[in-house]
Amino acid sequence: KNEVEQSPQNLTAQEGEFITINCSYSVGISALHWLQQHPGGGIVSLFMLSSGKKKHGRLIATINIQEKHSSLHITASHPRDSAVYICAAHSGGGADGLTFGKGTHLIIQP
Amino acid sequence: NAGVTQTPKFQVLKTGQSMTLQCAQDMNHEYMSWYRQDPGMGLRLIHYSVGAGITDQGEVPNGYNVSRSTTEDFPLRLLSAAPSQTSVYFCASSYSIIQGAFYEQFFGPGTRLTVL
Repeated sequence: KNEVEQSPQNLTAQEGEFITINCSYSVGISALHWLQQHPGGGIVSLFMLSSGKKKHGRLIATINIQEKHSSLHITASHPRDSAVYICAAHSGGGADGLTFGKGTHLIIQP
Repeated sequence: NAGVTQTPKFQVLKTGQSMTLQCAQDMNHEYMSWYRQDPGMGLRLIHYSVGAGITDQGEVPNGYNVSRSTTEDFPLRLLSAAPSQTSVYFCASSYSIIQGAFYEQFFGPGTRLTVL
């Protein structure tokens, strides 16, 4: 079973700061997913990537397959980015192949 | 499209009671899953379905039953509620698996369940 570790567990930053959240996994994967969970509880899929880098607005996700590591970056952070960010490693198959990290709780202060 | 809907949003049960958490999606997704989310732990898969009439167990299936009679609906049944089942439950749907890739999931808003 894949082991997925996220760091940091908690992060508080000031508005405008560049944010980095890290995710490492123990077993080779077919894809890495990043999710966002807002304080209200809803979960939204942000990225799915298997190599390189993807960008959506101020969010950038990168993955290094050799090092078994992915990062989620937020540029020009804003209080509305405050949420829990979850990475999930997919080792194959369907939902049974997903292993979720415990999440990074991000707070952006104005 | 309503996306993925779940009912109820909140529920309190007594130990031993049974209930069904409802989940429906209107995106014609073949793949549906149920997760539970507990403090300090990642999402854990309870049961999943790759299409109508097909279900399988996930990581933590004990105490739960599912069925998939239609593409749209995937209810989760608690047979005899226990305090250990106090959790937040999420239903999710996705496109069918293509070439071994598992595409993004669309999550419902969650059901917060307390078992006394």
